[in-house]
Amino acid sequence: KQEVTQIPAALSVPEGENLVLNCSFTDSAIYNLQWFRQDPGKGLTSLLLIQSSQREQTSGRLNASLDKSSGRSTLYIAASQPGDSATYLCAVRQSYNTDKLIFGTGTRLQVFP
Amino acid sequence: DAGVTQSPTHLIKTRGQHVTLRCSPISGHKSVSWYQQVLGQGPQFIFQYYEKEERGRGNFPDRFSARQFPNYSSELNVNALLLGDSALYLCASRSTGDSYEQYFGPGTRLTVT
Repeated sequence: KQEVTQIPAALSVPEGENLVLNCSFTDSAIYNLQWFRQDPGKGLTSLLLIQSSQREQTSGRLNASLDKSSGRSTLYIAASQPGDSATYLCAVRQSYNTDKLIFGTGTRLQVFP
Repeated sequence: DAGVTQSPTHLIKTRGQHVTLRCSPISGHKSVSWYQQVLGQGPQFIFQYYEKEERGRGNFPDRFSARQFPNYSSELNVNALLLGDSALYLCASRSTGDSYEQYFGPGTRLTVT
């Protein structure tokens, strides 16, 4: 059974720092991995999607990497800003035949001025 | 283009009642999934529908049911509500391109008293 873990559970940093959020999964046979952002009480905003054949994806100040063999993904946030404060969730999709995403419990990030 | 929309935004129900939640996917998306997110946890998969057929079901009791209409919109129904059903219910639609990226709506906050 696939389990997804995110470390740390919470993070508080000053503005301008570079951050690394970690996501690990127990079954390396995944189809893709997606990173989301969630503001309090709101829906999920897709940040980056990495296919199982890819090593990394970049969007602006965000970079996500994937090491399938070790069951790990990292989300790198460069030059953090207070507007980056949110909960970040990673989710894995097991196969082509299902849309089911298995989520971690998230990392709650606070960036203070 | 409009994103995934959900209605209502908030809902308060009493134990034992029934509730219907609605979701409209992004135009052109034929696959819709439902998730339940309890406070402090990652979303849990409930159902996936594709072309009006159920393609997957999570570990939820039979009190939960769903359907998809010819225009690809979807309803989630929950009978005999329990206090533990209080959660944010999220709907996601999936693109048909190569990436299979999933997009989430803003959610429906259900409170059962």
